Amino acid sequence: GAGVSQSPSNKVTEKGKDVELRCDPISGHTALYWYRQSLGQGLEFLIYFQGNSAPDKSGLPSDRFSAERTGGSVSTLTIQRTQQEDSAVYLCASSLRAGGTPYEQYFGPGTRLTVT
Amino acid sequence: EDQVTQSPEALRLQEGESSSLNCSYTVSGLRGLFWYRQDPGKGPEFLFTLYSAGEEKEKERLKATLTKKESFLHITAPKPEDSATYLCAVQIDRGSTLGRLYFGRGTQLTVWP
Repeated sequence: GAGVSQSPSNKVTEKGKDVELRCDPISGHTALYWYRQSLGQGLEFLIYFQGNSAPDKSGLPSDRFSAERTGGSVSTLTIQRTQQEDSAVYLCASSLRAGGTPYEQYFGPGTRLTVT
Repeated sequence: EDQVTQSPEALRLQEGESSSLNCSYTVSGLRGLFWYRQDPGKGPEFLFTLYSAGEEKEKERLKATLTKKESFLHITAPKPEDSATYLCAVQIDRGSTLGRLYFGRGTQLTVWP
């Protein structure tokens, strides 16, 4: 079956511009996660959505970052007024659910964001 | 503070030379430990989930084990195609952060012919 897809695969933007990154999770997965991977750093949690519950935004680094998930499926991560330190690979993952037995998370290919 | 530490940072093996990668964790309320493989330019690929100390799982040349403080990923007779970065992550039992994974920085494995 289809895996997690992300678009665009690469995005180059100028400092100060806004960007939107999209994630299509695996069909039937109720939990969706965003992570960030910077050069030489581990994966850093940003935000996750579980069904209709309020999202866990505890990992968002600043109020320039926001995310939404429409219809329990597609998610968009928005970064406003981008800064050079925002340059990283943004990874989306989905799993069957977040609570109960810990389910494995399946990752998309990522969006490489470069802020010039 | 919760921590996940992987060692070594990099490992070079000759084809057929077996070895182990280590993931040590200091967390309270471990719910699960995950191993992923990541190839350059790609997202992490799920390998194993371990839930409790003493558990072992195998897949081809890989075997993952778990104790109360660490996990090992054993690679038996590796091949060049096993070259990748191997990531360890934990999920912990802590209220609103129930779903997130805490990742180590990974071990970059290179297997040469």
